[in-house]
Amino acid sequence: NAGVTQTPKFQVLKTGQSMTLQCAQDMNHEYMSWYRQDPGMGLRLIHYSVGAGITDQGEVPNGYNVSRSTTEDFPLRLLSAAPSQTSVYFCASNARDRTPYEQYFGPGTRLTVT
Amino acid sequence: DAKTTQPPSMDCAEGRAANLPCNHSTISGNEYVYWYRQIHSQGPQYIIHGLKNNETNEMASLIITEDRKSSTLILPHATLRDTAVYYCIVRAKAAGNKLTFGGGTRVLVKP
Repeated sequence: NAGVTQTPKFQVLKTGQSMTLQCAQDMNHEYMSWYRQDPGMGLRLIHYSVGAGITDQGEVPNGYNVSRSTTEDFPLRLLSAAPSQTSVYFCASNARDRTPYEQYFGPGTRLTVT
Repeated sequence: DAKTTQPPSMDCAEGRAANLPCNHSTISGNEYVYWYRQIHSQGPQYIIHGLKNNETNEMASLIITEDRKSSTLILPHATLRDTAVYYCIVRAKAAGNKLTFGGGTRVLVKP
């Protein structure tokens, strides 16, 4: 199993540009989440999903959209990039039928907005 | 979520046990204690979790006090690869898949 994969690993955007961060998992996990981590800080939850077709907002959802059309994929869309969105983005997944917080994290996408 | 308090940093000698404390005095009866760690530039990694009893796995041991208001993560024989930020998280099982990460403890294992 590849686990949780994220693309791209690095990205530089100009203010106002849009893009999609990709996340995929091959463990058939029901739950998926997106977090951001600013320098020297802990992770903050952006959006999460408990299954295909179901998404909800986390702690810092503004400026981001998500969709969950399949179990495997959970893309994160930046609508109009701002310098405040410069961060490292982590995607995570976990199985519903186990203790829910044994989350598996991807390697992260490092985004810089200029 | 119960609030957790961890020391911001600690050093440990290679080969010795590392004991990482966490206070969670407002923990509720249905809340679990979880530990994750994040090695530099990588995604967090699940270590261990517990409710009331002490737990042990191949990575670490978790000691929870009888009143559940604090816990200690023990890395029995710290190696240089254990240098990381360690997060103590308290959350109810039924609360979904949302984790709340605080500041964590930055552990530096020294040769």
